[in-house]
Amino acid sequence: NAGVTQTPKFRVLKTGQSMTLLCAQDMNHEYMYWYRQDPGMGLRLIHYSVGEGTTAKGEVPDGYNVSRLKKQNFLLGLESAAPSQTSVYFCASSYSTWGRESNYGYTFGSGTRLTVV
Amino acid sequence: DQQVKQNSPSLSVQEGRISILNCDYTNSMFDYFLWYKKYPAEGPTFLISISSIKDKNEDGRFTVFLNKSAKHLSLHIVPSQPGDSAVYFCAASRKAAGNKLTFGGGTRVLVKP
Repeated sequence: NAGVTQTPKFRVLKTGQSMTLLCAQDMNHEYMYWYRQDPGMGLRLIHYSVGEGTTAKGEVPDGYNVSRLKKQNFLLGLESAAPSQTSVYFCASSYSTWGRESNYGYTFGSGTRLTVV
Repeated sequence: DQQVKQNSPSLSVQEGRISILNCDYTNSMFDYFLWYKKYPAEGPTFLISISSIKDKNEDGRFTVFLNKSAKHLSLHIVPSQPGDSAVYFCAASRKAAGNKLTFGGGTRVLVKP
């Protein structure tokens, strides 16, 4: 049981290049999320999805697009990378409902370190 | 404006002693709070949570306290162990907003042997 798998783990982009980060989960979770982590800022939500074919904006969506064509996959795209998008990106998935004293089954991937030069 | 803040970026504690991590929030609509632990090159892992209807939740060496009137929560680790050295994130959510989490900036804990 792999949980949440992110590819690639590392990437260096030149300003203006595009790329797609892939997230895959095998827990049959309904919800999926993309966060970015920056020093002192914690994790901030970029986009999320509450089900196959649906996406919604989070706290910092500008410069990113997402797609969820299959329940188990959530893709994050950068159309024209900028140095401000240098960050560590985390994908997560969870159940749609939560029980008492649980964590929604929230599971994070191990992250993608992206550098834009 | 950060809705969840961890004002101490780092904490150093001796093995066996208590570690106390603090977290403040501004949004009174938050009704569920969580602590995550993160090692380098890994994703955050869930540690403990608390609902706003409670003021304390305990799980082994970890206890979370919630003071709703002060909009403050804390995580106590007793006794601290070298393996507890990591970055700890406080997070908050609202039932009405689904499962989205708002994170604090993190506190780096170093437990010295």
